[in-house]
Amino acid sequence: QKEVEQDPGPLSVPEGAIVSLNCTYSNSAFQYFMWYRQYSRKGPELLMYTYSSGNKEDGRFTAQVDKSSKYISLFIRDSQPSDSATYLCAMRQNTGGFKTIFGAGTRLFVKA
Amino acid sequence: DGGITQSPKYLFRKEGQNVTLSCEQNLNHDAMYWYRQDPGQGLRLIYYSQIVNDFQKGDIAEGYSVSREKKESFPLTVTSAQKNPTAFYLCASSPAGLNTEAFFGQGTRLTVV
Repeated sequence: QKEVEQDPGPLSVPEGAIVSLNCTYSNSAFQYFMWYRQYSRKGPELLMYTYSSGNKEDGRFTAQVDKSSKYISLFIRDSQPSDSATYLCAMRQNTGGFKTIFGAGTRLFVKA
Repeated sequence: DGGITQSPKYLFRKEGQNVTLSCEQNLNHDAMYWYRQDPGQGLRLIYYSQIVNDFQKGDIAEGYSVSREKKESFPLTVTSAQKNPTAFYLCASSPAGLNTEAFFGQGTRLTVV
């Protein structure tokens, strides 16, 4: 079983829809939770960075962490065609070195 | 503009050759990382460095080598011992105190011919 599981998609939605992207994980020691956006043939871009449980909002993006369920989500409101990309979740422990575990990514298509 | 520069963007390697991928950052970040990305898989850590003249192996270090002689530079050498080197290679950096990779370069696509 992988430490981090992410549905590869693709997920296709109409412009303006609310998008929900999710990851599950197995390691209860994870404390830092991140979402990255990666356009085709480009490097990932850090979107959201959260510590422990709870919600964090930044513009149209909201990250949620539910440590009791080992489940994290990224919501995108009013989705735009420019949001079409692959979204990677990532997690790191509080101790034990500098190792970040990445999900394989979910491909998102927002249709105009 | 501050950022991470990877070069070249595309690289072709013949069987048995060593090749070096460049990664330079002008963000004054302490930590630098090298990842490999293959289709359908998450990023896998090759090497990381927290300070100059020090680096640690990641999960898939075999067949790779690095150096960190300057804070801004972290080159990766793919040696002939790496049996399946065709992949997308990503360099990243982060400042002290941030527990994640803050910035990534635009990547180098290496192909064995």
